[in-house]
Amino acid sequence: DAGVTQSPTHLIKTRGQHVTLRCSPISGHKSVSWYQQVLGQGPQFIFQYYEKEERGRGNFPDRFSARQFPNYSSELNVNALLLGDSALYLCASSRLQGIDGYTFGSGTRLTVV
Amino acid sequence: EDQVTQSPEALRLQEGESSSLNCSYTVSGLRGLFWYRQDPGKGPEFLFTLYSAGEEKEKERLKATLTKKESFLHITAPKPEDSATYLCAVLSGGYQKVTFGIGTKLQVIP
Repeated sequence: DAGVTQSPTHLIKTRGQHVTLRCSPISGHKSVSWYQQVLGQGPQFIFQYYEKEERGRGNFPDRFSARQFPNYSSELNVNALLLGDSALYLCASSRLQGIDGYTFGSGTRLTVV
Repeated sequence: EDQVTQSPEALRLQEGESSSLNCSYTVSGLRGLFWYRQDPGKGPEFLFTLYSAGEEKEKERLKATLTKKESFLHITAPKPEDSATYLCAVLSGGYQKVTFGIGTKLQVIP
């Protein structure tokens, strides 16, 4: 079975630009969460979606938005990129809204220059 | 606000030298505590979920335990391939937010 897949794997953007990151969950998983991981830190929660509805939001500015599609895949959008947005963005999926543990993808490495 | 504190931040062991990693937490309504392993440049790999105090889980050389305030990840006779960052995370009540600690970077020397 395919795991959680994320695209692209690496991305370089300029300050002020917009970026869209994509995630496909494990088949049968209806919950998708997004995390930001800065080098040397643990992942920080951004969003959780379940059955296409936002169920949780972390302490991130409104420049960050996300959505989940009918096939349970998800997009994370970041507007007006700042240098501080440079990080590894992780997507994770779960069958039971996380209570059974999340399976993570390999992430998208975003560099803002 | 939920808090997860892991110690030590870094640990260097000789191959075969057993040790324990600590994760202390402060949450409102613990629904689950997770341990993950993360290799450089990769996403976290799920190891264990613990749900209630007194629970224990084992997988190969790893054993996780849970009390009301902390969790331990015991590593028995580690091998160099166990070198990684080990992350602890908690799922708390309310909306579905998982809070991670900073991790313990483990290096096992042959």
